[in-house]
Amino acid sequence: RKEVEQDPGPFNVPEGATVAFNCTYSNSASQSFFWYRQDCRKEPKLLMSVYSSGNEDGRFTAQLNRASQYISLLIRDSKLSDSATYLCVWPYNTDKLIFGTGTRLQVFP
Amino acid sequence: GAVVSQHPSWVICKSGTSVKIECRSLDFQATTMFWYRQFPKQSLMLMATSNEGSKATYEQGVEKDKFLINHASLTLSTLTVTSAHPEDSSFYICSARVRSSYEQYFGPGTRLTVT
Repeated sequence: RKEVEQDPGPFNVPEGATVAFNCTYSNSASQSFFWYRQDCRKEPKLLMSVYSSGNEDGRFTAQLNRASQYISLLIRDSKLSDSATYLCVWPYNTDKLIFGTGTRLQVFP
Repeated sequence: GAVVSQHPSWVICKSGTSVKIECRSLDFQATTMFWYRQFPKQSLMLMATSNEGSKATYEQGVEKDKFLINHASLTLSTLTVTSAHPEDSSFYICSARVRSSYEQYFGPGTRLTVT
């Protein structure tokens, strides 16, 4: 089993919709994760951190479910500019990040 | 703040030649820099970790004699792909972090095409 696994999508949603992605992980001791956003042919950019208490930043909410070993990213009121690939990332240690293959989101008008 | 640059942004080279990619932290000192490779529709894979003034630590399966890493200062790391082959064609991304932090700041990437 991979350390982190994501549904590759694509998720096609209209503007204004609410969409959620999940990412499952294998290490039950994991306590923190990151969500990164990667646009086509660009570098990944940190979207938000996820800890047991969850995290919310504007239209984005991330949660960690340790019992079921998954993290989620909820995007409300989707914008065209939210179209990207969203990467689930597990910090194995301070020197190694494990990246998921990403979930592609396409927001259409 | 926390800007990382890479040069070149894209390069095409012939099989058998060597290519050098530079990674610079522009507004901070990076104690550690990382080199990743990403093939189409795949996740970023860590190739190696380098600390300033030390030899790089390579991930399993990455040939250290083929991918030469030099981390000469706290703001510059270079990756040289020696004797490049078409299968080395990929998107190479560097990142940098400050001490004791999980957060990595990524460069814009270098797209390498070997013909």
